[in-house]
Amino acid sequence: SQQGEEDPQALSIQEGENATMNCSYKTSINNLQWYRQNSGRGLVHLILIRSNEREKHSGRLRVTLDTSKKSSSLLITASRAADTASYFCATVLPLSNDYKLSFGAGTTVTVRA
Amino acid sequence: KAGVTQTPRYLIKTRGQQVTLSCSPISGHRSVSWYQQTPGQGLQFLFEYFSETQRNKGNFPGRFSGRQFSNSRSEMNVSTLELGDSALYLCASRMDSSSGNTIYFGEGSWLTVV
Repeated sequence: SQQGEEDPQALSIQEGENATMNCSYKTSINNLQWYRQNSGRGLVHLILIRSNEREKHSGRLRVTLDTSKKSSSLLITASRAADTASYFCATVLPLSNDYKLSFGAGTTVTVRA
Repeated sequence: KAGVTQTPRYLIKTRGQQVTLSCSPISGHRSVSWYQQTPGQGLQFLFEYFSETQRNKGNFPGRFSGRQFSNSRSEMNVSTLELGDSALYLCASRMDSSSGNTIYFGEGSWLTVV
């Protein structure tokens, strides 16, 4: 079963607008990682946030983590057409010998020119 | 620095055949894992190898197997292919077995079973 669930499933925005997507998960985690996938391609790593961190930034990306609510959000500011992709959150459990990613179903983002 | 490299990128196989997919991790990375992506089931973990040993296995039948070589390169094999095995197979690597590692993915191998 999938650990993470993204919301919304799909998002359509105008170029220049911000896009926010959320991820909820079920159990305690070691870290949470966000990935982007362009149609038919592999996954591109965006940000890793550890369970003891609350916020991280990378360029136009901002990720927050609320372990009390078991949720994370990814904000893309000033979106561009090239940001059109599917975005996935993936969690890693605290056990060091169980280091696998459990993915949500993803959020499909369409940025209109 | 080269990323995770997977071969072949696309392949078509017939039901009942077997297939072998190859993955070269990022230089210096010792852990390789495999994931299957389908429209119905999404992204699912297959297995992880570290130092030629399988450390973790997902909930897949025994037809799915893998191995890792001393140079960290990995292969996965699917025997007696079924139509439902049609998927994008993604290989990923990370540096070592410690926690908190970023996992990097390759472009994937598209498998179509007819």
